[in-house]
Amino acid sequence: SAVISQKPSRDICQRGTSLTIQCQVDSQVTMMFWYRQQPGQSLTLIATANQGSEATYESGFVIDKFPISRPNLTFSTLTVSNMSPEDSSIYLCSAQEAPNTEAFFGQGTRLTVV
Amino acid sequence: EDKVVQSPLSLVVHEGDTVTLNCSYEVTNFRSLLWYKQEKKAPTFLFMLTSSGIEKKSGRLSSILDKKELFSILNITATQTGDSAIYLCAVEGTYKYIFGTGTRLKVLA
Repeated sequence: SAVISQKPSRDICQRGTSLTIQCQVDSQVTMMFWYRQQPGQSLTLIATANQGSEATYESGFVIDKFPISRPNLTFSTLTVSNMSPEDSSIYLCSAQEAPNTEAFFGQGTRLTVV
Repeated sequence: EDKVVQSPLSLVVHEGDTVTLNCSYEVTNFRSLLWYKQEKKAPTFLFMLTSSGIEKKSGRLSSILDKKELFSILNITATQTGDSAIYLCAVEGTYKYIFGTGTRLKVLA
């Protein structure tokens, strides 16, 4: 399967600032997703990153807070905007080469907001 | 609403024990069920199941799907301390995955 490079791997940010997380896949993929995993919780889907169009957000997540870009079939970014301590979490990028194939994950970004 | 439920939530065993992890689901437009192992941040893929009754096996790990009863199990035999992790079940529905709560497994030496 393809390999995803996600960065940064961790960051400590001040409240009110924004952080952009990048994911680069080493081959073209159909689907890319962004997840959040809060401490002790499972993965929650934030949005599906659509190539060349606006992302599809899940209930409870909005574009103003989590703007996403996907300019091509190998790259996506997630920005966490106007951060608060409640945004402290692990953020994971995921990709899927085609439907009915396994999703694979980037290394994750551990974000701490102080 | 789509949901995936895993049990138990946590489990502590000793090396050499056999464990069975459970995953039940209610997902519209089921495509596949996947198992992942999460040790640090990134989940790593274990199995993908699409057909009922066909066991997938990799070393000491095996998994099977029952599409009639809407559940899957993951078995780990002769557990080792390196099996300590969170095991996640995910179901692929319409254009996305729904993840379960995970089972936290700790294997004691």
